[in-house]
Amino acid sequence: GAGVSQTPSNKVTEKGKYVELRCDPISGHTALYWYRQSLGQGPEFLIYFQGTGAADDSGLPNDRFFAVRPEGSVSTLKIQRTERGDSAVYLCASSFSGNTEAFFGQGTRLTVV
Amino acid sequence: DAKTTQPNSMESNEEEPVHLPCNHSTISGTDYIHWYRQLPSQGPEYVIHGLTSNVNNRMASLAIAEDRKSSTLILHRATLRDAAVYYCILRENSGGSNYKLTFGKGTLLTVNP
Repeated sequence: GAGVSQTPSNKVTEKGKYVELRCDPISGHTALYWYRQSLGQGPEFLIYFQGTGAADDSGLPNDRFFAVRPEGSVSTLKIQRTERGDSAVYLCASSFSGNTEAFFGQGTRLTVV
Repeated sequence: DAKTTQPNSMESNEEEPVHLPCNHSTISGTDYIHWYRQLPSQGPEYVIHGLTSNVNNRMASLAIAEDRKSSTLILHRATLRDAAVYYCILRENSGGSNYKLTFGKGTLLTVNP
C-alpha cells in the first residue's frame, strides 16, 4: 500500500485542546497539500509544501493553525486552542510535483466537543 | 481562480452512460480542466484532465467544447461504484498557483441498480 496515509483516522478533542494530525505522503512526492472539508462542501485549500518549505499557507484560517514538514516527507498539521468550528475532515494530498495529479489520503475526521 | 458551475446532483441507472456537465465560461487560455471524484468516506481521486482536445482514459472520457467554455465528463457504463461527488476544477497550467486545486460543491451522482 503506497498511498497517502493519514493518522489518526478519527480524533475527538475538547474545546481549547491542542491537536496534531499526521500525513505520510507517497514516497518521492515533493509536493504536499492540506485541505479541510466541512459537511456538504468541497475540500478547502489550507497549505502547500514544496519540499520542506511552505510555498503557500494562504488558506490557513488563523494563527492557531500551523503545519510543518521538516524533512520533506511526513507533515504534521497542528491546531492550537481548538474550537468547535474546527470540526471537519482534514485531508492531505501529495503529488510528484506541484502541477501533477494529486493523491489524497482518506482524511482525519476531527471533532471538537 | 476561474469558477466552474455544475449541477448539484444527477441520477443514472447502472450500465448506462452518464454525462456530467461543467460550465467554465471564464476559463483562461492556460487553464487545464481537471476532474476529481470523491467516493463516500474517501479522499478525492483524480479522474481525468485536458486542455483543448478530448481525452480518454480507463476511467472516463472528457469532452471539451471548442470554445472551452464547457466540458463534459463521460462515464461510458456507470456502475454502483461510480456513485460519488464529481468535481470539475480549473487548474492553471503555469504561473505561481498551478499547484492549487479549488474545489466547488461538485455534482453528487447517484447510480440506481
